Amino acid sequence: ELKVEQNPLFLSMQEGKNYTIYCNYSTTSDRLYWYRQDPGKSLESLFVLLSNGAVKQEGRLMASLDTKARLSTLHITAAVHDLSATYFCAVGVDSNYQLIWGAGTKLIIKP
Amino acid sequence: DSGVTQTPKHLITATGQRVTLRCSPRSGDLSVYWYQQSLDQGLQFLIQYYNGEERAKGNILERFSAQQFPDLHSELNLSSLELGDSALYFCASSPQVGGYEQYFGPGTRLTVT
Repeated sequence: ELKVEQNPLFLSMQEGKNYTIYCNYSTTSDRLYWYRQDPGKSLESLFVLLSNGAVKQEGRLMASLDTKARLSTLHITAAVHDLSATYFCAVGVDSNYQLIWGAGTKLIIKP
Repeated sequence: DSGVTQTPKHLITATGQRVTLRCSPRSGDLSVYWYQQSLDQGLQFLIQYYNGEERAKGNILERFSAQQFPDLHSELNLSSLELGDSALYFCASSPQVGGYEQYFGPGTRLTVT
């Protein structure tokens, strides 16, 4: 069974701290996506990672992909309150026609 | 704004009723995906269409059905509604079939009373 596991599922942190969200997946893939969702809102695409070793950065967020380890990380640097949201990773699998989604990580950043 | 539109934004209906949710994909996108998001179930993939044909099914109940029309808009039909069907329903689109980046619409919030 194809699985995408995120951890932690819930994270409460102080502003100014650094932290990492992990996304492990159980099948071969070279396409991984990170999305952000604010409460009651839609999902917004953050990063598209398409090859082993890919690293992308936008502001205080940096995502990386290790296809050999089947692991992606989303690193938050010097967190600010505006980054509070739920973050989902999703894996593209050739044999299927849809993305396989993680359960999401709810991130709360306290001032 | 992703370019994906969904109507209505909110829908309140009673148990046993039937509703239709509508989605228009981004211009040029051929694939449409439907998702259900409830508090206790997370984001659940329901069904995918590509250029009018059903391509993949996820955790879609038999009471639910969908179709994609020649102009590529899609409709999700929910019938014999139950309280547990209350959720946010998202439509997403992508240019091709297969595990590519998906662009999400704003969602339809369905409340079944």
